Amino acid sequence: ETGVTQSPTHLIKTRGQQVTLRCSSQSGHNTVSWYQQALGQGPQFIFQYYREEENGRGNFPPRFSGLQFPNYSSELNVNALELDDSALYLCASSLGGQGKFQETQYFGPGTRLLVL
Amino acid sequence: DAKTTQPPSMDCAEGRAANLPCNHSTISGNEYVYWYRQIHSQGPQYIIHGLKNNETNEMASLIITEDRKSSTLILPHATLRDTAVYYCIVRVAPGRNAGNMLTFGGGTRLMVKP
Repeated sequence: ETGVTQSPTHLIKTRGQQVTLRCSSQSGHNTVSWYQQALGQGPQFIFQYYREEENGRGNFPPRFSGLQFPNYSSELNVNALELDDSALYLCASSLGGQGKFQETQYFGPGTRLLVL
Repeated sequence: DAKTTQPPSMDCAEGRAANLPCNHSTISGNEYVYWYRQIHSQGPQYIIHGLKNNETNEMASLIITEDRKSSTLILPHATLRDTAVYYCIVRVAPGRNAGNMLTFGGGTRLMVKP
């Protein structure tokens, strides 16, 4: 196990609702990255947080937002849920910093979100 | 970002070596090759990474060609538990934007058979 935990493990929401997913990083790691994995596809990068600030973002709309807390845990918030948001949401923790090469990213087990 | 090409699927007999190829012909000089695997929709598991030298750890060996345009992940004695999707990833170069993200392709679905 990597020491990265995510909650909840599964979640069912309806279209238009909002959802918050949580991630606790591995001990000693200060960076959290979030990925979305649709069924049958590879994970897609959403964004990354380093020391409570966004440190890069993939091609996702603003209704995907995040937070990182002083203890380096993180939340992913998705507003106005759409059916296509149904996916496995993965977080990965690493040690690094903005503009600097980071150490290896270690993934949590994921949260499976179903939007009806 | 350098892209990778992997065969979509491979079979391997249990106990034999599994050799998973990856092409990354546009890799830059300071980009690393990373390998992850994902078992049955669990979170991806880090396996190994390298820059230009061959690397070995308790899980696997990574062989990178001299021109760095391709690499091979070797699982020396595959077991049924090694059945997974294996992703070859070229890491975004240090100092660039997008926060050092990992770009996953389709990966190779390895089936280890008894």
